[in-house]
Amino acid sequence: EVQLVETGGGLVQPGKSLKLTCATSGFTFSNAWMDWVRQSPEKQLEWVAQIKDKSNNYATYYAESVKGRFTISRDDSKSSVYLQMNSLKEEDTAIYYCTCRFFNYGSYFDYWGQGVMVTVSS
Amino acid sequence: DIVMTQAPLSVSVTPGESASISCRSSKSLLHSNGITYVYWYLQKPGKSPQLLIYRMSNLASGVPDRFSGSGSETDFTLKISRVEAEDVGIYYCGQLLENRTFGGGTKLELK
Repeated sequence: EVQLVETGGGLVQPGKSLKLTCATSGFTFSNAWMDWVRQSPEKQLEWVAQIKDKSNNYATYYAESVKGRFTISRDDSKSSVYLQMNSLKEEDTAIYYCTCRFFNYGSYFDYWGQGVMVTVSS
Repeated sequence: DIVMTQAPLSVSVTPGESASISCRSSKSLLHSNGITYVYWYLQKPGKSPQLLIYRMSNLASGVPDRFSGSGSETDFTLKISRVEAEDVGIYYCGQLLENRTFGGGTKLELK
């Protein structure tokens, strides 16, 4: 069974930092492309960042809204992906989902974790 | 960024009837490799989004064949045949041609 468990969320003041962790199991993590996607209180989904697998040189991509402030990374030995969030703004308040995407036996899989709440407020 | 626009905002369906949700992209999602990179997700109440359809018309693993996807390069449709109570939630279309963007969502409820 595929599992993605996000931790590290909470209440933080504007300008501060927070690091999210997504621990995974149930699939070959090293072959998966990992993303962070957030959902605003208004239910709008917004892609945040992506990190590809080793065969793609662990290439990373960011939404313009977080570029220069957020950093995505992964540790294949721990089957985990991370999101370092710096200089947080109130508009970063959202539920943050970790997602994995991969092909297996000719089918495409795209799983989401349960999400973790990040609230940026003074 | 590619903008995804969904319609309607909400739909009310009698159990056993069909429902259709539309999605339009601001640019063609047809790649030169012949794949159309549009996806459909369902977020059930209190849950995370789950994949229903990938690459416009492919049914994700474990998804009932009551769900189907179709479309062109910029206009896409999710059809749900014989709607059941478990189909209630918010449906999102998304694109994976250039990074990842999502539509605003369509809420499906039962009459």
